[in-house]
Amino acid sequence: GAGVSQSPSNKVTEKGKDVELRCDPISGHTALYWYRQSLGQGLEFLIYFQGNSAPDKSGLPSDRFSAERTGGSVSTLTIQRTQQEDSAVYLCASSLERENSPLHFGNGTRLTVT
Amino acid sequence: QKEVEQNSGPLSVPEGAIASLNCTYSDRGSQSFFWYRQYSGKSPELIMSIYSNGDKEDGRFTAQLNKASQYVSLLIRDSQPSDSATYLCAVSGYSTLTFGKGTMLLVSP
Repeated sequence: GAGVSQSPSNKVTEKGKDVELRCDPISGHTALYWYRQSLGQGLEFLIYFQGNSAPDKSGLPSDRFSAERTGGSVSTLTIQRTQQEDSAVYLCASSLERENSPLHFGNGTRLTVT
Repeated sequence: QKEVEQNSGPLSVPEGAIASLNCTYSDRGSQSFFWYRQYSGKSPELIMSIYSNGDKEDGRFTAQLNKASQYVSLLIRDSQPSDSATYLCAVSGYSTLTFGKGTMLLVSP
């Protein structure tokens, strides 16, 4: 079946602009995660959705970052007033449930803020 | 603070050798353990999962778990240049999933 789909694959934006990144998880996966990975660095957790529960937003670096998940499926990560330090690869992952289930990653969105 | 520790490497091994990648974790309540492979410029790819003490083998890969020592490892037999990548250890507890920063493996022909 189809894997996790992310769009766009690449995004170049000017400093100060808003951007939206989209993630379509694997069908039937109730858990959805957003991570950020800067060049040569590890995975930085941003936000987690599980079913209809309130999202775990503990990893969002500032109030410029927000995310929503509509209908328990597609998720959008929004970055307002982008800064150069926001440049990174944004990875989305989904799993059947949070505990004990492995994550399946999308191909990521490479964001470049000029 | 739940932590997952990995040596950043690089770990260099010759082609055909056994590569041994190690990971320690701080949360004794952890229940699930995963190894991911990440090629440069690509997203992480799940290669092994292990849930109980002992060894789990899948092809050239063997995952080893020792919960008493809070230690999980990945052995790659007959290493190939195509195995050169960063290997991420991930540990799942009751409500959190924590990734290590990864170990870079270089397999030389």
